[in-house]
Amino acid sequence: ETGVTQTPRHLVMGMTNKKSLKCEQHLGHNAMYWYKQSAKKPLELMFVYNFKEQTENNSVPSRFSPECPNSSHLFLHLHTLQPEDSALYLCASSQDFEGFSRGGQHFGPGTRLTVT
Amino acid sequence: QKEVEQNSGPLSVPEGAIASLNCTYSDRGSQSFFWYRQYSGKSPELIMFIYSNGDKEDGRFTAQLNKASQYVSLLIRDSQPSDSATYLCAVNNGYSSASKIIFGSGTRLSIRP
Repeated sequence: ETGVTQTPRHLVMGMTNKKSLKCEQHLGHNAMYWYKQSAKKPLELMFVYNFKEQTENNSVPSRFSPECPNSSHLFLHLHTLQPEDSALYLCASSQDFEGFSRGGQHFGPGTRLTVT
Repeated sequence: QKEVEQNSGPLSVPEGAIASLNCTYSDRGSQSFFWYRQYSGKSPELIMFIYSNGDKEDGRFTAQLNKASQYVSLLIRDSQPSDSATYLCAVNNGYSSASKIIFGSGTRLSIRP
């Protein structure tokens, strides 16, 4: 596996379910990110981890809970979601948070989430 | 006012012509600027980044930055049908851990044969 991988690629869940999204990067990067992409809206940065420490939480509702056990893995735990949370969830990584400015981010393929 | 603004398009350009994509930003302290290409149903892919005023060329792509006027543009020369995609502009204020990474809504580009 190379680059940034995400599983599952598609997920349908009810509002009372609990599920987790997984991201893994094979680039030796130290910073990882969760983004939400909804139709007709800009990419929204949700969470940032730099060297496993959370550095940003952009006012994301508590029904989204991130976890970063090491620099290569990132999870997004979901519970009691709302239909408006249906979107494409993208994981990205960069050399490090400072290094973002020097090389940009590499995105995974995304998880298409549908909340029913 | 949106923090990063792009014309949503679609921008239609004939094959072989120059496609010009523009982006304006509101934070005068912004330090680094990125262009991503996103094909329908795919994730964004970094194609260019620029930090200094002026032009930066990479193959058929040229990024132009004017910090005084707060705009960044992307020129695609000799446009190909494979260039048809949505182009996202991203801006980072570059201040250590307080950095905010803001994306524009994207411009949809269509190259007609």
